[in-house]
Order: sequence, then structure tokens, then C-alpha cells
Amino acid sequence: AQKITQTQPGMFVQEKEAVTLDCTYDTSDQSYGLFWYKQPSSGEMIFLIYQGSYDEQNATEGRYSLNFQKARKSANLVISASQLGDSAMYFCAMRAEGYSTLTFGKGTMLLVSP
Amino acid sequence: DAGVIQSPRHEVTEMGQEVTLRCKPISGHDYLFWYRQTMMRGLELLIYFNNNVPIDDSGMPEDRFSAKMPNASFSTLKIQPSEPRDSAVYFCASSSNKEQYFGPGTRLTVT
Repeated sequence: AQKITQTQPGMFVQEKEAVTLDCTYDTSDQSYGLFWYKQPSSGEMIFLIYQGSYDEQNATEGRYSLNFQKARKSANLVISASQLGDSAMYFCAMRAEGYSTLTFGKGTMLLVSP
Repeated sequence: DAGVIQSPRHEVTEMGQEVTLRCKPISGHDYLFWYRQTMMRGLELLIYFNNNVPIDDSGMPEDRFSAKMPNASFSTLKIQPSEPRDSAVYFCASSSNKEQYFGPGTRLTVT
């Protein structure tokens, strides 16, 4: 069974600062993928970034990067230079090799202030 | 690419009525997922299809819920009869390999 834990119910950051959203996972599988999604107040779920368990480098997508520490089973999302539009709920998710479904965490609400 | 399309975006209905939610996945995606999101339970997977075939419906709450995928470009989630506790946002998502792409969701309110 897979489990995703997001321990921060809410985070506050000032505009232009960097912020790290925590995600730890539990799995006995050797091959798996980790995902981050953003859900703004409008409700849609937006895919942000993906990290494969065998990827040697941390994934980056624009201002988003994934700090992947395999031994610690953590996959933290780093948002650099926060913008007001980054205010949203952020979900970490994982999928094990051979499975088609995602296991989601409970999410972290990020608020970016001017 | 139009993305995943869901209709209606909002649905308000009375208890006991039949509700049908619709989804058009991204062309070429062979997986389709139905989720339900509530404040209390978060995001729950209800059912998913691969190549139009239901693979796992263990998340469907009860027999009042049914889902079909008659072809690669269309799926429905039906609730009959609807109950107030079915009020939630229902998402459809599709994927071809890794990431899932979500539709905008249908906000269902059952009074």
C-alpha cells in the first residue's frame, strides 16, 4: 500500500520569497512516480511536476522544483519567487510501478501575501 | 488541445432525482478516472477505465453510483437516486502514461 503525508495544513509566504511544501511517502515498491498538483480557489486540478524514482536529477518546471530525497522518502515542492497567483491548495501524489492510480495526500494550503 | 471536458459544471438537484455527469477525455489517452472531492474526505477515486473497460470500481460508494465508457471519447457517471450526502465536486481525469490531467469538475448539490 502507498501512503502520502503532507504535514503542513497551511503555509504563509510573502510575495517573491521561496517556499517549500513538504511531502513524505511510504511505499515498498522500488519503482514509482511522484507528482504535485495545484488546486486554486476556482477548483481545477493543475498538474505541476513529476519525479520518477530512478531519475537522477531533481525535476524542475519553471519556478517549481522537486527536492527528491529517496532515502528519506521525501518529495518536497519548492516554489521560487512566490507570486500572488500561487495561492492555492497543493497536493502531493504518488503512483507505483504497475499501477495506474494515484494516491493523494490531504494537501497544503499556501497563501501568498503582498 | 481542449483538455478534459466535463459537463455540467454545476448541477443542483433534489434528493431522489437521477444525476448524470459527463466527461470527454483528452484524445489519445487510454485511461479515464472519476474522482469525488469533499472537505471531509478529500479526493477519492471512484472508478477508472483502461481502453474503455472498467478496471477498478472499488471506490464507488454504493449501487446508486454507476459509470460507463461506451467509447474512447466519452464517459458518464450516474447517481440514481441522488442523496444530499452525494453533494461534492466530481472530477474526471485522463492519462496516457504518467500524469493525469483533470477536468474542471462538476459541482453537485443535492437538496
